[in-house]
Amino acid sequence: QKEVEQNSGPLSVPEGAIASLNCTYSDRGSQSFFWYRQYSGKSPELIMFIYSNGDKEDGRFTAQLNKASQYVSLLIRDSQPSDSATYLCAVYSGGGADGLTFGKGTHLIIQP
Amino acid sequence: EAQVTQNPRYLITVTGKKLTVTCSQNMNHEYMSWYRQDPGLGLRQIYYSMNVEVTDKGDVPEGYKVSRKEKRNFPLILESPSPNQTSLYFCASKLVRETYSTDTQYFGPGTRLTVL
Repeated sequence: QKEVEQNSGPLSVPEGAIASLNCTYSDRGSQSFFWYRQYSGKSPELIMFIYSNGDKEDGRFTAQLNKASQYVSLLIRDSQPSDSATYLCAVYSGGGADGLTFGKGTHLIIQP
Repeated sequence: EAQVTQNPRYLITVTGKKLTVTCSQNMNHEYMSWYRQDPGLGLRQIYYSMNVEVTDKGDVPEGYKVSRKEKRNFPLILESPSPNQTSLYFCASKLVRETYSTDTQYFGPGTRLTVL
């Protein structure tokens, strides 16, 4: 059974600070990793993906991947109140047979 | 505009009354999937389809049926809904490649179902 673990939170961060969201996964063969943002009652929307070890930056967001430790994280710099949402980590393990395995999400609150 | 649509968006029904939630995508995606989302349980896959006439069970298929007669449509059928199927349902679609995939999975807007 593939598992993706996230701290459910809530994670409270002051406005302007860096928010750090973490995710671990069980399937060592996992190939690509996604971060989705979901506002309450809305559908998940993709923030970014990563598939190589190291860091990947996109604007205020940085994804970090460490396959040896089976760990992926998302950093949000200069956090804004509009970043308050639930962040879902999702993992694709290849084979084409199915889609993504999702973590339960971390609820992030940015305090003005 | 590339999108996944679901209908209805909200539905209140009674136990045992058959219902269908439609899902349609206009991106020519091979892969389509249904998820349900419940508080504390996250997104759980119900069924998925790799292409027309190819469907398979996800993690929580009991009580649900699907069909894939056309590439763009993937309806979710509840033959005899029960209160434990009250949930927020999402349809999703994406391209399928042979090698590892970074293709974006696009989600529909969701259907909030209440079974009384």
